[in-house]
Amino acid sequence: DQQVKQNSPSLSVQEGRISILNCDYTNSMFDYFLWYKKYPAEGPTFLISISSIKDKNEDGRFTVFLNKSAKHLSLHIVPSQPGDSAVYFCAASGPGGGADGLTFGKGTHLIIQP
Amino acid sequence: KAGVTQTPRYLIKTRGQQVTLSCSPISGHRSVSWYQQTPGQGLQFLFEYFSETQRNKGNFPGRFSGRQFSNSRSEMNVSTLELGDSALYLCASSLDRGETQYFGPGTRLLVL
Repeated sequence: DQQVKQNSPSLSVQEGRISILNCDYTNSMFDYFLWYKKYPAEGPTFLISISSIKDKNEDGRFTVFLNKSAKHLSLHIVPSQPGDSAVYFCAASGPGGGADGLTFGKGTHLIIQP
Repeated sequence: KAGVTQTPRYLIKTRGQQVTLSCSPISGHRSVSWYQQTPGQGLQFLFEYFSETQRNKGNFPGRFSGRQFSNSRSEMNVSTLELGDSALYLCASSLDRGETQYFGPGTRLLVL
């Protein structure tokens, strides 16, 4: 049973445009959400996070939106740059600071085209 | 600050053998978590250690074990290796549970 789902295995976006990566979750106990970026042969790199008490968090070109009623979050990257090409993972943790560790989606491969 | 380091980076073993992987967390981080990444299952939580104690464990068989030392460095051990254990093993450290986890580069294990 996949509690965190990233339904798009890949996404292609033109350089300079907005990239929108989506993530859905089923466990209503999740209260903290994170996005990680991963290049081949490297570990995931933390990008941005959001607590369930917020609906938006912004950090430079990256903005995460959380819709609790829909159990949906999205990562917006504006403007998209070639270096953004990577696999993006959505992750969630539950109450108690994620006692069960982070639950990850299977990732979306973002390709930025020049 | 130095990031999370993992050794070795690559490892080849045969079925039935055992393996030990090492993780050094970011200085000051006391929580260390381990994850397994495979193409089919994605990233899955193995276990988490804090102050030399395993606080939680994911849904993996007892062949997977770990420990943490007083300096927060952690090791994980897999005994009686199976072909399906071939994966990227990632270690992540954080100040404590609930804090952002920072990942190491991983150890790629191939079981033949």
